[in-house]
Amino acid sequence: GDSVTQMEGPVTLSEEAFLTINCTYTATGYPSLFWYVQYPGEGLQLLLKATKADDKGSNKGFEATYRKETTSFHLEKGSVQVSDSAVYFCALLRGTGRRALTFGSGTRLQVQP
Amino acid sequence: NAGVTQTPKFRVLKTGQSMTLLCAQDMNHEYMYWYRQDPGMGLRLIHYSVGEGTTAKGEVPDGYNVSRLKKQNFLLGLESAAPSQTSVYFCASSPPGTRNTGELFFGEGSRLTVL
Repeated sequence: GDSVTQMEGPVTLSEEAFLTINCTYTATGYPSLFWYVQYPGEGLQLLLKATKADDKGSNKGFEATYRKETTSFHLEKGSVQVSDSAVYFCALLRGTGRRALTFGSGTRLQVQP
Repeated sequence: NAGVTQTPKFRVLKTGQSMTLLCAQDMNHEYMYWYRQDPGMGLRLIHYSVGEGTTAKGEVPDGYNVSRLKKQNFLLGLESAAPSQTSVYFCASSPPGTRNTGELFFGEGSRLTVL
């Protein structure tokens, strides 16, 4: 079945540091890939997405590139801020079949001033 | 803007008790979902609905029932709660015409503890 694997957290960085959160997936066909973010006490919200190989999703300074050859969708940001502290979830949506997201286990990011 | 609203936000149950979580959305979305979030396991799909009057099982449906009698509401029921159902429950909805895009709108979550 479909699955998403994320690096374990927590990830602790100083403000303005470079961020990478790794995500790899297993799925049949050609899934769409997503990053969702969950701020403390809130529900998840869409951060960015990519729908086909080599697409780059970007939003709020975050980027991720859909790499079909390595089945990866790593999240990056060049300079993190304290306000980026949250839990980040990688997810996929299969191209066919059940129309529901499959999520990874989440990676907690803590940014220190 | 209400968006997706879940009630209650917190609940403590004893083993064997029953309860219903209510999800309401005011965005005229067709698809609605119930997920549970457990430490180290991310979000797992319990049940979902592709429209009024329809429901379908997700990854972890056992011990739960759902109903979608009105388009705007999606109810999640626990008939006989068990400690393994202690979790944070999230409802989400997806807009019509873009249901294949994965853009879900989430509620703030409902924390359920079963003693």
